[in-house]
Amino acid sequence: DGGITQSPKYLFRKEGQNVTLSCEQNLNHDAMYWYRQDPGQGLRLIYYSQIVNDFQKGDIAEGYSVSREKKESFPLTVTSAQKNPTAFYLCASSGAYTGELFFGEGSRLTVL
Amino acid sequence: SQQGEEDPQALSIQEGENATMNCSYKTSINNLQWYRQNSGRGLVHLILIRSNEREKHSGRLRVTLDTSKKSSSLLITASRAADTASYFCATAILISNSGYALNFGKGTSLLVTP
Repeated sequence: DGGITQSPKYLFRKEGQNVTLSCEQNLNHDAMYWYRQDPGQGLRLIYYSQIVNDFQKGDIAEGYSVSREKKESFPLTVTSAQKNPTAFYLCASSGAYTGELFFGEGSRLTVL
Repeated sequence: SQQGEEDPQALSIQEGENATMNCSYKTSINNLQWYRQNSGRGLVHLILIRSNEREKHSGRLRVTLDTSKKSSSLLITASRAADTASYFCATAILISNSGYALNFGKGTSLLVTP
């Protein structure tokens, strides 16, 4: 089935550790996005990529890093520099014509 | 930055009633989209309305867009318990030949009771 797969669904991290969230899509979309969602809040854009080997910072990129080595994959690393990393992270992709986003099921990161 | 702002923040209705949610935004847009999110899940795209459209229907959903007032509304008719979810509006701005930037509001939490 076509779609976006995020893993892991749940992740626990100790303070000071980096963690990487995986996002894979088989929709042949050029654009991919990472959003952060806090309880009762909307989505805030962390990073986005419109083409392989290129990506741009979103509104809250500090403490995060990404790579886009393959069209299908857009992993997000939450670094120890991120002050408040506990959140729900959503990956999405879109085709070129309307910007309609297709989302994965999310990864919930908890820092212990 | 968040541009869309939904109103109300929470809405509780009974099955069979209609639910109306509103979204206001600040700058010019290419299109406006509505998404649904069940608790702990990813968002699902519901409907898109372009800036040159005023109204659009999809099943029990009706979306209106007033660009002069920079506002949109989502109407769900004959609601069902399964419609219980959070609903988000997202404003889309074209940023390149191949991509849009979407800004999401904080959402409306809809509870439909049997």
